[in-house]
Amino acid sequence: DTGVSQNPRHKITKRGQNVTFRCDPISEHNRLYWYRQTLGQGPEFLTYFQNEAQLEKSRLLSDRFSAERPKGSFSTLEIQRTEQGDSAMYLCASSFSESGANVLTFGAGSRLTVL
Amino acid sequence: RKEVEQDPGPFNVPEGATVAFNCTYSNSASQSFFWYRQDCRKEPKLLMSVYSSGNEDGRFTAQLNRASQYISLLIRDSKLSDSATYLCVVNLRGKLIFGQGTTLQVKP
Repeated sequence: DTGVSQNPRHKITKRGQNVTFRCDPISEHNRLYWYRQTLGQGPEFLTYFQNEAQLEKSRLLSDRFSAERPKGSFSTLEIQRTEQGDSAMYLCASSFSESGANVLTFGAGSRLTVL
Repeated sequence: RKEVEQDPGPFNVPEGATVAFNCTYSNSASQSFFWYRQDCRKEPKLLMSVYSSGNEDGRFTAQLNRASQYISLLIRDSKLSDSATYLCVVNLRGKLIFGQGTTLQVKP
């Protein structure tokens, strides 16, 4: 297993376009998290899944954001009608909740630039 | 009020110094606590978990005060390689919440 994989690593798009990011977690991990990070800030929680169930979604997240994890393995994060304020690094992380500690392993992130 | 608050710094210290970072959290139902380290342009990585009794890992010591909802990280004998951003993380019913991060710069 090569860790958490995110694609694409970089995405430049025009305002109003839709973008989709994919995350492949560590195979034995049952939890998958999405975060957004901007310069000088810590990762901001967006949503998380346990297996295929989306357990929590940030109230700060607009309806333009949606995430899925259809088979409890990989996940996608879609942003519709992108705005310049969506420019950020989108981080995915996975963990194994049964271990008790719920330690996150992050991917390298997908950097979004909205022009 | 933010759920997890940290002094963003930066903390500029000479090699060999001892430095302490503090963190407070707002929800008393928080279950577990961590410090993560993030190098420039890299993803966060676990530094250490924080236990109620306090715990040490080499030059790093973490403390938790549940009554005050306060977490600390002490770094002794700072090395140049300790330069990074240190993120305080709180687990609230499965949701892991990060603080803003505290930036440390260790200088020769």
